[in-house]
Order: sequence, then C-alpha cells, then structure tokens
Amino acid sequence: GDSVTQMEGPVTLSEEAFLTINCTYTATGYPSLFWYVQYPGEGLQLLLKATKADDKGSNKGFEATYRKETTSFHLEKGSVQVSDSAVYFCALSVGDAGNKLTFGGGTRVLVKP
Amino acid sequence: NAGVTQTPKFQVLKTGQSMTLQCAQDMNHNSMYWYRQDPGMGLRLIYYSASEGTTDKGEVPNGYNVSRLNKREFSLRLESAAPSQTSVYFCASNRGQVYEQYFGPGTRLTVT
Repeated sequence: GDSVTQMEGPVTLSEEAFLTINCTYTATGYPSLFWYVQYPGEGLQLLLKATKADDKGSNKGFEATYRKETTSFHLEKGSVQVSDSAVYFCALSVGDAGNKLTFGGGTRVLVKP
Repeated sequence: NAGVTQTPKFQVLKTGQSMTLQCAQDMNHNSMYWYRQDPGMGLRLIYYSASEGTTDKGEVPNGYNVSRLNKREFSLRLESAAPSQTSVYFCASNRGQVYEQYFGPGTRLTVT
C-alpha cells in the first residue's frame, strides 16, 4: 500500500536558522505530493504541493522538490521565524475516486526567538 | 465563506455512549472526508464520500458510521464509544477532481 515516512520531531531551532524536514514515500501509482501545516489549535492547511517529478512547490518561503528517483519530497526553509512553529505533515495522493490522502506522522517544529 | 465547520469542538463521553459529530462545508465541494489524528500517527482516513449519495470505508472504519446528508453535510457517528476512540477528529472536503483538501478546525473527543 501507500505510505509516507517523515522525520520524527520535535525539531527545535533558533529564529533565522535553516529548516529541513525529510519525507520519503512509497506509492502504488504515480502520486501527487503535499505538505500540510497545522498551527496550534487549528486544522490542517495546505502549504505546498507538486504533481509530477522534478516539480518544485513553494509558498511562504518554504520549498519542496518532487524527486522520483529517491521517492522524496523534503521540505526546506532558509530562515525560519517564530510564527513557523507548527506541526508539518507530508502526504501523498494517488489519483482515483475521492482523492484520498495518505499522511506521514507529522513533525513538530519549535522556533525560539 | 465559513469553509469547513465542525461541531462540537470538544466532547467527553463515557464508554458505551453514542454521539454524532457534525461537519458542513459551504464551498460546493463534491467530496468529503473524516479523519482521526493520533499522536505520532498523522491523520488516518475513517470514511469518505466521493459525491453526494455515496460513502466508502477508509483505513480505520471500525466502530464508526457516516451519513452524507446532502452535498453540504457529512456526519460521523459513534454508536458505542470506546476509549480507543479518544482522538481528534477532522472533517475535510474538496472538489473531487482537484487534490487540495480543506480541513475543519477539529473535534477533540475523550472517551473515559
């Protein structure tokens, strides 16, 4: 079946540090890949996505590149802020009825001033 | 637009009690989903409805039932709650052919 593995947290950083969260996947078909973010007390919201190999998704200073050869979709940000403290989820969807998402376990990121 | 709304926000049940979690969306989306979120396990799909009038099991359907009441509303029912169902429940929706899912704020359920 489909699965997503991402690094366990928590990841604790100082403001302006570089952030990387690793994500690898296995999929039965050709997946689309996503990063969702969950701020404290809120639901998930889409951060970025990529639908084919070598695509780069980007939003709010975050980037991730769809690497088919390594089945990876690592999330990066060059200079984090305190407001980036959240839980980040990598997910995939293999197109079929319902567009079901398969999530990784989530990585909690804490940015300290 | 309110997006996806869920009620209640918090609920405490005793083992064996029943309850229904409500979800509504005002984005005219075809597909709706129920997930549960447990520490370290991400979100797992309980049930989904690809379109009005259809429902299908997800990864963890045991102990739950759903109703797609109309295009806007998708409810999740626990007939006889168990402590293993203590979790945070999220409803989501999308257009079906577009992959982005929009999530509600969640319901935190505790079963004692």
